[in-house]
Amino acid sequence: QVQLVQSGAEVKKPGASVKVSCKASGYTFTGYYMHWVRQAPGQGLEWMGRINPNSGGTNYAQKFQGRVTMTRDTSISTAYMELSRLRSDDTAVYYCARAQYSGYDYWGVDYWGQGTLVTVSS
Amino acid sequence: SYELTQPPSVSVSPGQTARITCSGDALPKQYAYWYQQKPGQAPVLVIYKDSERPSGIPERFSGSSSGTTVTLTISGVQAEDEADYYCQSADSSGTYGVFGGGTKLTVL
Repeated sequence: QVQLVQSGAEVKKPGASVKVSCKASGYTFTGYYMHWVRQAPGQGLEWMGRINPNSGGTNYAQKFQGRVTMTRDTSISTAYMELSRLRSDDTAVYYCARAQYSGYDYWGVDYWGQGTLVTVSS
Repeated sequence: SYELTQPPSVSVSPGQTARITCSGDALPKQYAYWYQQKPGQAPVLVIYKDSERPSGIPERFSGSSSGTTVTLTISGVQAEDEADYYCQSADSSGTYGVFGGGTKLTVL
């Protein structure tokens, strides 16, 4: 069965960076885009970007360009999302989510990680 | 940047029909997807490609599209359907994803 297991909660100071991992199992890792979505406390879902695990190609939301880097390690079926220059309003639960179907034009996601709470506080 | 617009809240009585809309300029060109999220849980895909229903999702959930608006319809609403619902799509170039602001469905 498809599983996405994320790394544990993090507490960071403003200006620092955080790197969240997402280990996939139960399917061919390189066959499906991996998206990253965040949700601030009491707020809605926010799309951050996606990575093609096969090529390493990425699309980042304009809001995060210059601050976010998405990478992957195909040898261990793991995707990573690193966010730099953290601010207090980056406090949120960060999710990885697998695209439902392969293909550049497909945006729906069907499996989600359990979420990683990142708290930014001085 | 591209935005999808949803009503903040919708209220219905049990057994009635709930309709949640999502508007965006690129929706005639890009498919829409709908997610249900209950407190403390990850979202669940309930509709994909405007109107397709994943396996395991009850038949009372349906989706439709008309021009720049897509609609999630829940027929015969049950108490367990109370949740936040989000639409998702992409901009016209197919480069950036986007979520709507979410709609809180209250079952009276």
